[in-house]
Amino acid sequence: VLTQSPGTLSLSPGERATLSCRASHYVTSDYLAWYQQIPGQAPRLLIYRASIRATGVPDRFSGSGSGTDFTLTISRLEPGDFAVYYCQQFGSSSEATFGGGTRVEVK
Amino acid sequence: EEQLEQSGAEVKKPGESVKISCKGSGDRLTDHWIGWVRQSPGKGLEWMGMIYLGNSNTRYSPSFQGQVTFSADKSLTTAYMQWTSLKASDTAMYYCVTLPVSERHFDFWGQGTLVTVTS
Repeated sequence: VLTQSPGTLSLSPGERATLSCRASHYVTSDYLAWYQQIPGQAPRLLIYRASIRATGVPDRFSGSGSGTDFTLTISRLEPGDFAVYYCQQFGSSSEATFGGGTRVEVK
Repeated sequence: EEQLEQSGAEVKKPGESVKISCKGSGDRLTDHWIGWVRQSPGKGLEWMGMIYLGNSNTRYSPSFQGQVTFSADKSLTTAYMQWTSLKASDTAMYYCVTLPVSERHFDFWGQGTLVTVTS
């Protein structure tokens, strides 16, 4: 199980966003990924292996953490960053699970 | 860059069957699984399972085992997901995704296929 917090984050453009994802079991080899979903669009990969940015992802997005606690940080929010963010892992039984999501909204 | 093109929206009645598709445009799919992710209206993401194009090996989430069937046509680089008897609760957006065989993340997503089940 992946638990994301907070459920909603209300911030202004230019502010820093810190999103948390906690796993109920140890995440092997830091196989933890983050996705962004803008309303009305398909999700897109942001971060994989906990801290590697996917191709084309701006460097204001960064991932960190290991074991069971992971963080996605957006250093300075831009208008297009207001979206829902999901973390994802594969469990020991080779099943993928997603966290419940964190909505980043304009304050 | 890989492109995944999904089939169009479907409107069905309860009890009907439907088969949706996901076609990959690149040649990298030989090293990828194609997975399916459900997003019910206003809800989060749920992994349903995946199929390996090379040999049609499948893995199903326990939550969806027996509810859907995955298939693939390697020559067409296309994956399919099929229901034989739809329920209203199957109403959702369905995304196909690619998973590199050596990784545990979904690197490309299709645009989604909306399946609406209504009487």
